[in-house]
Amino acid sequence: QSVLTQPPSVSAAPGQKVTISCSGSTSNIGNNYVSWYQKLPGTAPKLLIYDNNKRPSGIPDRFSGSKSGTSATLGITGLQTGDEADYYCGTWDSTLSAGVFGGGTKLTVL
Amino acid sequence: EVQLVESGGGLVKPGGSLRLSCAASGFTFNSYSMSWVRQAPGKGLEWVSSISSSSTYIYYADSVKGRFTISRDNAKNSLYLQMNSLRAEDTAVYYCARISSSYPWSHPDYWGQGTLVTVSS
Repeated sequence: QSVLTQPPSVSAAPGQKVTISCSGSTSNIGNNYVSWYQKLPGTAPKLLIYDNNKRPSGIPDRFSGSKSGTSATLGITGLQTGDEADYYCGTWDSTLSAGVFGGGTKLTVL
Repeated sequence: EVQLVESGGGLVKPGGSLRLSCAASGFTFNSYSMSWVRQAPGKGLEWVSSISSSSTYIYYADSVKGRFTISRDNAKNSLYLQMNSLRAEDTAVYYCARISSSYPWSHPDYWGQGTLVTVSS
């Protein structure tokens, strides 16, 4: 059971938009920055969003992040087949004094 | 270019020990906190441990506390994870990750390719 809650799967057609939610509590998302990672099988996780809504250089603006209260959202527009991957939210939990991740969301581009 | 290369994984019997290493290059190692994150087969990412740039702050997941020890050698640009009393549930790919600041509660920004640890008799 992950500290952060994500939907197990989402799907959308190529060119469409999808959002992935990440729900936590005041001890984690509510008082710390959220980051998002893309994970393809057999490869290292890739940072997509940090500090709730910032994109590292090289990450296209099709990827966006937002946070409200104890929840965060990753948005992906203009979906491509190459976006099919597992997506994870992550943050620090101040009560646990530990890093925490969501359980991951599998994105299928139909 | 930031590079993180893990080594030391392999097959070990339950109750055994293993030491993972992570060789870092392409950045000023002693200015950044570092972490270990693992992914068990078919499961999600699980944070394991973090260490601050000067080793002042060290944190562990409850699942490994008392069994795993994280350490670093800034002179050698290396991160380590000593794993003792290994269990079947420790089987996973272990990733070394750079934390984006000297404080371990910030986010991982670069990751290595991982090393597989298999605990089985």
